[in-house]
Amino acid sequence: LAKTTQPISMDSYEGQEVNITCSHNNIATNDYITWYQQFPSQGPRFIIQGYKTKVTNEVASLFIPADRKSSTLSLPRVSLSDTAVYYCLVAAYSSASKIIFGSGTRLSIRP
Amino acid sequence: GAGVSQSPSNKVTEKGKDVELRCDPISGHTALYWYRQRLGQGLEFLIYFQGNSAPDKSGLPSDRFSAERTGESVSTLTIQRTQQEDSAVYLCASSLAGGQGAAGELFFGEGSRLTVL
Repeated sequence: LAKTTQPISMDSYEGQEVNITCSHNNIATNDYITWYQQFPSQGPRFIIQGYKTKVTNEVASLFIPADRKSSTLSLPRVSLSDTAVYYCLVAAYSSASKIIFGSGTRLSIRP
Repeated sequence: GAGVSQSPSNKVTEKGKDVELRCDPISGHTALYWYRQRLGQGLEFLIYFQGNSAPDKSGLPSDRFSAERTGESVSTLTIQRTQQEDSAVYLCASSLAGGQGAAGELFFGEGSRLTVL
């Protein structure tokens, strides 16, 4: 399983764009990149997933360079409610295997 | 049900007692995961069930921990002779497939908070 490295914490202000980068140097050909968000006292929830290039949904964008050794989660115009821990995962699109979470990035948004 | 349901939501027990935590996955989800999350920490993988295959128990921290799942339904995580370091939130997640690819989104329950005195 590919290991991921992300910043332990980040701070930003309301209305700003926040970019969280995750390194996954050992990503395999059939690995997908998935990001989860966790609020205090809740289980994580899926935000976005991609394989290469750029993916956008109503919540975020995910940028993946050609070598796929890193990915960047972009949150446009953050608000206080975006304060959470964000986890980057890589896992193969194949038959069963366990999913390992890293330590995540604790994002704090200030007024 | 509409989502993953876990019970109890909170459990306080004395050191040395056994506890049982329950997870009801989303109907039709073949994969089920248990994670442990200590205060301020990330998620620690414990065990993974996929359909009728043998579970992946590689994350269980000791032989005091065990889990069962009947078919593709309810799972129970049992901790015997609890210790204070077992205090944590135990999270259960389920998914349609093995957790990979677009069809493998993990859906988490609210967790069971265990406090061992």
